[in-house]
Amino acid sequence: DSGVTQTPKHLITATGQRVTLRCSPRSGDLSVYWYQQSLDQGLQFLIQYYNGEERAKGNILERFSAQQFPDLHSELNLSSLELGDSALYFCASSVGTPGNTIYFGEGSWLTVV
Amino acid sequence: DAKTTQPNSMESNEEEPVHLPCNHSTISGTDYIHWYRQLPSQGPEYVIHGLTSNVNNRMASLAIAEDRKSSTLILHRATLRDAAVYYCISYGPYGSTGNQFYFGTGTSLTVIP
Repeated sequence: DSGVTQTPKHLITATGQRVTLRCSPRSGDLSVYWYQQSLDQGLQFLIQYYNGEERAKGNILERFSAQQFPDLHSELNLSSLELGDSALYFCASSVGTPGNTIYFGEGSWLTVV
Repeated sequence: DAKTTQPNSMESNEEEPVHLPCNHSTISGTDYIHWYRQLPSQGPEYVIHGLTSNVNNRMASLAIAEDRKSSTLILHRATLRDAAVYYCISYGPYGSTGNQFYFGTGTSLTVIP
């Protein structure tokens, strides 16, 4: 158990809908990272937050948005969903400096039908 | 743009040492080298990380070249449980060009019984 909690674990929704994925970081971690991994694809970095502020942005679509709240949990919002958005979405957390370990959650499986 | 380069796949016999190479020729002086591994449908798992000196932990050893342009992850005795995709990542401080925790394509390690 990495200490990073992601909910829901599985989600099935229809095209055009909107979903929210939630991440609770490890206790004491200030930074949250989001990744997308499609079937048989690599891990695509989406976005990173540190103590509520955006720190780094990767290949995140405009239909996707994220935020980190004052209690440090984070949400990834996916809207106007397409079939191609079906993927495993991982959240990770760390203290926030490059010399620290980054811990990953078990992921949220999103299936768009 | 890939910041690290790794072989796509490697094989090892069980109980033999495994040396997984990684090139990071554009690494800057403040970028750490992290290694993670991932089993199918699971979140990436931390293996080891370092900056300049070689590092050892209970899972593996990390050998960093003197010029820091390459590194090698060493699994001292491969077991079947070590079969996974191994990722080498260079990660720098906020504000630097290496500020994204970016996964490349990784090396798929097969362990032969």
